Amino acid sequence: RKEVEQDPGPFNVPEGATVAFNCTYSNSASQSFFWYRQDCRKEPKLLMSVYSSGNEDGRFTAQLNRASQYISLLIRDSKLSDSATYLCVARGLGRDMRFGAGTRLTVKP
Amino acid sequence: NAGVTQTPKFRILKIGQSMTLQCTQDMNHNYMYWYRQDPGMGLKLIYYSVGAGITDKGEVPNGYNVSRSTTEDFPLRLELAAPSQTSVYFCASGTGTVNTEAFFGQGTRLTVV
Repeated sequence: RKEVEQDPGPFNVPEGATVAFNCTYSNSASQSFFWYRQDCRKEPKLLMSVYSSGNEDGRFTAQLNRASQYISLLIRDSKLSDSATYLCVARGLGRDMRFGAGTRLTVKP
Repeated sequence: NAGVTQTPKFRILKIGQSMTLQCTQDMNHNYMYWYRQDPGMGLKLIYYSVGAGITDKGEVPNGYNVSRSTTEDFPLRLELAAPSQTSVYFCASGTGTVNTEAFFGQGTRLTVV
């Protein structure tokens, strides 16, 4: 079983739509969680950290459910510029960061 | 700000050749990581280091070696390159503090023929 699993998509949505991505992690000792964004042939860049209480950054909302070992990302009012691959990350006690395979999003006019 | 710098950006190797992928960071981060990303796939952890002189295996360490003699540098060595090592390699660094992220270099695209 992979340590971090994501729905690979692709998700094709119209501009203005709301889209949600889910991620599960298998290591219950994981302590930190993140969502990264990766554009085609580029390096991953941090989108947002995920806190236990849930957190919001503009149109983006991240949630963490430790009991279910589940992380989510909600994007509201999708823009063309949101088209990218979204990577879920869990970091354990050893500080090694494990990535999910990514979910590809395409926002269409 | 330089951040995480990887060299070279592109490289073609013949089967059986060796090479070192260079990674250096100027943020005084203790934690450094090497990942590989195959086409259409996620990142797989090869090796990581929590400080100078300390390295640990990740998910896919076979065929690679690392060293960490300084805080700034974390080179990745490929011995006896194989076509299965054709990939994009990313180096990253971070403080390791809970809830702080890692910063990535721009990647090295390696093709083994």
